[in-house]
Amino acid sequence: TQLLEQSPQFLSIQEGENLTVYCNSSSVFSSLQWYRQEPGEGPVLLVTVVTGGEVKKLKRLTFQFGDARKDSSLHITAAQPGDTGLYLCAGARSSSYGKLTFGQGTILTVHP
Amino acid sequence: NAGVTQTPKFQVLKTGQSMTLQCAQDMNHNSMYWYRQDPGMGLRLIYYSASEGTTDKGEVPNGYNVSRLNKREFSLRLESAAPSQTSVYFCASSESAKNIQYFGAGTRLSVL
Repeated sequence: TQLLEQSPQFLSIQEGENLTVYCNSSSVFSSLQWYRQEPGEGPVLLVTVVTGGEVKKLKRLTFQFGDARKDSSLHITAAQPGDTGLYLCAGARSSSYGKLTFGQGTILTVHP
Repeated sequence: NAGVTQTPKFQVLKTGQSMTLQCAQDMNHNSMYWYRQDPGMGLRLIYYSASEGTTDKGEVPNGYNVSRLNKREFSLRLESAAPSQTSVYFCASSESAKNIQYFGAGTRLSVL
């Protein structure tokens, strides 16, 4: 059972386009994290959101945590080839010590 | 600035063979984790260790054993490898359950 549904699984766009990746669940999470993973490497944390309705910006990346803390989105403005990679959302629940539940991941390819 | 180091980086096994994946962190973190990553499945937690001397099962523990050798090292053992264990294995560590998890570069394992 996949508790975090991430969509789309694949995204292929041109440089300069905007995109949004979604992470949805029927479960409430105490926090939600977004990671980026490059080929041959482990995931690297981009951001953690902990408050319902929270919005965080990291340069051209905007992360939002849903009001009910069940969903999140990642929006990239004016995508660049350097944004290419696998994006993963991961939720933490206060009842589950340190254990993260990961979404399936979104493979983003930005063409020059 | 090593962070989390995993060895080996690649391994090919025959069905029934055993092996141990090694993980060491130099950040003085209390908690360590083992995940497997399969296409379309995100990362799934195999085992974790909240602190030195403790280990607990994650989402997919069957066929694996772990040892928290000391605060720095957390090993994953496959006693009798099966083709279903072909995957990329990641070790991670965090200061505590509530903190950011830092990932190693992964071990790519193929079981024939």
